[in-house]
Amino acid sequence: DAGVIQSPRHEVTEMGQEVTLRCKPISGHNSLFWYRQTMMRGLELLIYFNNNVPIDDSGMPEDRFSAKMPNASFSTLKIQPSEPRDSAVYFCASSPPNYHYEQYFGPGTRLTVT
Amino acid sequence: EDQVTQSPEALRLQEGESSSLNCSYTVSGLRGLFWYRQDPGKGPEFLFTLYSAGEEKEKERLKATLTKKESFLHITAPKPEDSATYLCAVHAFYGGSQGNLIFGKGTKLSVKP
Repeated sequence: DAGVIQSPRHEVTEMGQEVTLRCKPISGHNSLFWYRQTMMRGLELLIYFNNNVPIDDSGMPEDRFSAKMPNASFSTLKIQPSEPRDSAVYFCASSPPNYHYEQYFGPGTRLTVT
Repeated sequence: EDQVTQSPEALRLQEGESSSLNCSYTVSGLRGLFWYRQDPGKGPEFLFTLYSAGEEKEKERLKATLTKKESFLHITAPKPEDSATYLCAVHAFYGGSQGNLIFGKGTKLSVKP
């Protein structure tokens, strides 16, 4: 079975540029989560979708961050404009129906903003 | 404020030396506690879910237990391949809200041959 797929795996960009991270969840899963992981703050939930609908975006740091899920097999997290403090590893995770908190994580995207 | 604290931050063991990792939590209403394993450069991998005090789950050399204020991940006779960061997360109930997972910062385990 294919797990959660994320792209790109690494992204280096300059401050002020737009960054788009992509995620394909596991087929059949109906919840999708975007997390950010840093040494200082650990793993933090940014936003999650249920059946393609955003349910809780209270973890999105500010208006520079936006996320979409146009269909059950694809989601994006966009940062515009990017700043050095956005440097982190961004994970996408998905979970099956009725097991919302048994989440399966992708390999992550390591973002570096210079 | 809901909190999850893991200790120690790092643990070095010799192969075969059993030990335990601790996850203590303060939440208003625990709905579940989750253990994940994270290898370097990879996403967390789900291990266990515990729902009520006294519950135990086992998988190979790992056993997770839960009390009303903390959880332990016991590692029996560890091998070098058990080296990883182990993350604990709790799901807390907020009135009518579904709530989300709150993760601890993890314990980095190193097992030397």
